[in-house]
Amino acid sequence: DIQMTQSPSSVSASVGDRVTITCRASQGISSWLAWYQQKPGKAPKLLIYAASSLQSGVPSRFSSSGSGTDFTLTISSLQPEDFATYYCQQANSFPYTFGQGTKLEIK
Amino acid sequence: EVQLVESGGGLVQPGGSLRLSCAASGFTFSSYEMNWVRQAPGKGLEWVSYISSSGSTIYYADSVKGRFTISRDNAKNSLYLQMNSLRAEDTAVYYCARDALRSDYWGQGTLVTVSS
Repeated sequence: DIQMTQSPSSVSASVGDRVTITCRASQGISSWLAWYQQKPGKAPKLLIYAASSLQSGVPSRFSSSGSGTDFTLTISSLQPEDFATYYCQQANSFPYTFGQGTKLEIK
Repeated sequence: EVQLVESGGGLVQPGGSLRLSCAASGFTFSSYEMNWVRQAPGKGLEWVSYISSSGSTIYYADSVKGRFTISRDNAKNSLYLQMNSLRAEDTAVYYCARDALRSDYWGQGTLVTVSS
């Protein structure tokens, strides 16, 4: 199985900050990576698919890059509604594993 | 409007069974792959199972293989998860999600609690 490792596990930041979250796959997954945002008590929300494609309706301050084993999610200017937990998921091969999550908290 | 509505969760004793359902509307259900994803209390997301649009291809996480069965009824726009031999570690909110490569719609989740 492919293991997905996110870092950091948690990060504190302020509104307006630029934040980067990384996701590393234990083996190459080409560009078969998605990023999700989850708020407490809510279902996950798709942000990015195919490593760098922004899902319709998602603000352009979210961006992602990478291929192979290393990926990054960047939020260019944090907004209050961005404080949440973020997950990467590989879709290269089953089982479609998630990273452990990165909790983005208000500083 | 795309909607996915899970049902069937509840409290069950270890070793028991439950059948979850996911009712889909607002899109052509038979054209989409579907997944079940779960989240234990206070924990991260865990992919559980996948089914192709026709139902001919199925995959499971190792943690549920041999105990859970995914199925779908395209005529009824419904997805199912039959869960047998339930364990305490299966306690979680179970979500159905549309598509596999980019799960763009999710249900609200249904809570399964396995406890004596």
